[in-house]
Amino acid sequence: EAQVTQNPRYLITVTGKKLTVTCSQNMNHEYMSWYRQDPGLGLRQIYYSMNVEVTDKGDVPEGYKVSRKEKRNFPLILESPSPNQTSLYFCASSPPGPYEQYFGPGTRLTVT
Amino acid sequence: RKEVEQDPGPFNVPEGATVAFNCTYSNSASQSFFWYRQDCRKEPKLLMSVYSSGNEDGRFTAQLNRASQYISLLIRDSKLSDSATYLCVVSRGGTSYGKLTFGQGTILTVHP
Repeated sequence: EAQVTQNPRYLITVTGKKLTVTCSQNMNHEYMSWYRQDPGLGLRQIYYSMNVEVTDKGDVPEGYKVSRKEKRNFPLILESPSPNQTSLYFCASSPPGPYEQYFGPGTRLTVT
Repeated sequence: RKEVEQDPGPFNVPEGATVAFNCTYSNSASQSFFWYRQDCRKEPKLLMSVYSSGNEDGRFTAQLNRASQYISLLIRDSKLSDSATYLCVVSRGGTSYGKLTFGQGTILTVHP
């Protein structure tokens, strides 16, 4: 089944404790992206990657890191999480070009 | 001014009604336009792409007005299952196709 998977789905952590949210897709897509969704603000792009070893900042990259060492994986790293990073995070992938993005099921992160 | 703006609603309509959503974008370099649907706490899914000539998919019609920089979505004969949040999405296109901007979403509730 073609899909985008994210792990974990739910995470409660404390300020300053490094964490990684994994994202994997099995559709051989070049493009992958991370978003966060907050009430009243909608979905905002954090980082995106057009291909392996190519990443670019989205609208809200501060406090996040990404890497794209393999085509299928695009992990999101929070080196020192803070409470303002409490949010619902979505990973997405698509073929190159302005095509449909396929979203993962989301990761709900709470930082206390 | 936000790059992509939508009326957040909520729109409450009876079954069978016709409802229209509008979305405006500020960057005239935008090239690609989409409507996504998001059910509560779930991942967004593509509803339809929006083409300059307008396009229709069953009960859904999307229009693009480049001169005025707005996009619309018309839903005819509303069903209970149409209740969701509708997201307007804009991409710069070209080599910046990966840079997506989402509107904050319009909430639709269809009641019996």
